[in-house]
Amino acid sequence: GAGVSQSPSNKVTEKGKDVELRCDPISGHTALYWYRQSLGQGLEFLIYFQGNSAPDKSGLPSDRFSAERTGGSVSTLTIQRTQQEDSAVYLCASSLYGLAGDEQFFGPGTRLTVL
Amino acid sequence: QKEVEQNSGPLSVPEGAIASLNCTYSDRGSQSFFWYRQYSGKSPELIMFIYSNGDKEDGRFTAQLNKASQYVSLLIRDSQPSDSATYLCAVNNFGNEKLTFGTGTRLTIIP
Repeated sequence: GAGVSQSPSNKVTEKGKDVELRCDPISGHTALYWYRQSLGQGLEFLIYFQGNSAPDKSGLPSDRFSAERTGGSVSTLTIQRTQQEDSAVYLCASSLYGLAGDEQFFGPGTRLTVL
Repeated sequence: QKEVEQNSGPLSVPEGAIASLNCTYSDRGSQSFFWYRQYSGKSPELIMFIYSNGDKEDGRFTAQLNKASQYVSLLIRDSQPSDSATYLCAVNNFGNEKLTFGTGTRLTIIP
């Protein structure tokens, strides 16, 4: 079946602009995660959605970052007033139940470049 | 101190040899341990997971967990050039579904 998809694959924006990144999880997966990977760095957790529960936003680096998940499926990560340090690959992952130990399946990522 | 630490490498191993990748973690409450492989420009894919102390084997891959010493390792036997990638170690705790990743070890298999 289809895996996790993300769009756009690449996004170049100017400092100060807002951007929206989209994630389509695997059908039937209840949990959705956003991570950020900067050059030469590991993955940094941003936010986690599980079913209808309140999201775990503990990884969001500032209030310029927000995310929503509509209808328990598609998610959008929004970065307002982008800064150069926001440049990174933004990865989305989904898992079946969102339990500790569940395999997380990653999408191809969105490479964001802030000029 | 980082929560999950890995030697960034690069680690160079001759083809056919055993590659040994190590990872240490700081949270003694960590319960689930994962190894992801990430090819350059691609997204991570799960190689193995381990929950219990000891060894877990899957084909050419063996994960080893020692909770007392707080380390987890990945052995790759009969290394192939296609194993050349960055290997990411990740951990989480029961009730904390987010994964904490190390920065990864870049492995190069030399033909």
